[in-house]
Amino acid sequence: AQKVTQAQTEISVVEKEDVTLDCVYETRDTTYYLFWYKQPPSGELVFLIRRNSFDEQNEISGRYSWNFQKSTSSFNFTITASQVVDSAVYFCALIKAAGNKLTFGGGTRVLVKP
Amino acid sequence: DTAVSQTPKYLVTQMGNDKSIKCEQNLGHDTMYWYKQDSKKFLKIMFSYNNKELIINETVPNRFSPKSPDKAHLNLHINSLELGDSAVYFCASSQFGTGPSPLHFGNGTRLTVT
Repeated sequence: AQKVTQAQTEISVVEKEDVTLDCVYETRDTTYYLFWYKQPPSGELVFLIRRNSFDEQNEISGRYSWNFQKSTSSFNFTITASQVVDSAVYFCALIKAAGNKLTFGGGTRVLVKP
Repeated sequence: DTAVSQTPKYLVTQMGNDKSIKCEQNLGHDTMYWYKQDSKKFLKIMFSYNNKELIINETVPNRFSPKSPDKAHLNLHINSLELGDSAVYFCASSQFGTGPSPLHFGNGTRLTVT
């Protein structure tokens, strides 16, 4: 069975602070994919990143960066110099390579105050 | 222009009624999904169809019946609505190829059962 845990339910920061969202996963599969999605207050789900289990390189996209550590089964997400528009719920998710079922973590609500 | 569109956006109805939510994708994807998001923001898969064939049916009451007339459409019909069915329902699509592509989500249908 697959499981994704986002232990932080809510994080509150002041604008320009960095914020790191933790994601820990469990799977018996050797090949799998990890995702992050953003759900702003307007409610839609926005894809941010996909990473396969063989690619442990960290990735940076603008103010967003991701740290994949296979040894600790973690795929953490950092927002640098946060902005009010980053306020949203962020979901980490996992799917096995030959699977169709994307399993989501419980989400972390990020509140960025001006 | 919209990739995954679902209607209606809001649905308010009384217990015992039957209702349907429609979903269409114009991305040419071969796989479509229904996810349910509860009041605590937890996202759980309900159904998945690949090329009109049901491939995932997560322990969902049989009051919920998905129908896929073609691979671009996946509708959700709910009979005898209950208070506990109140949630946001998301349709999504993806292309199942050499590795799972990101799910593209519709904007959600907020169902309120009174």
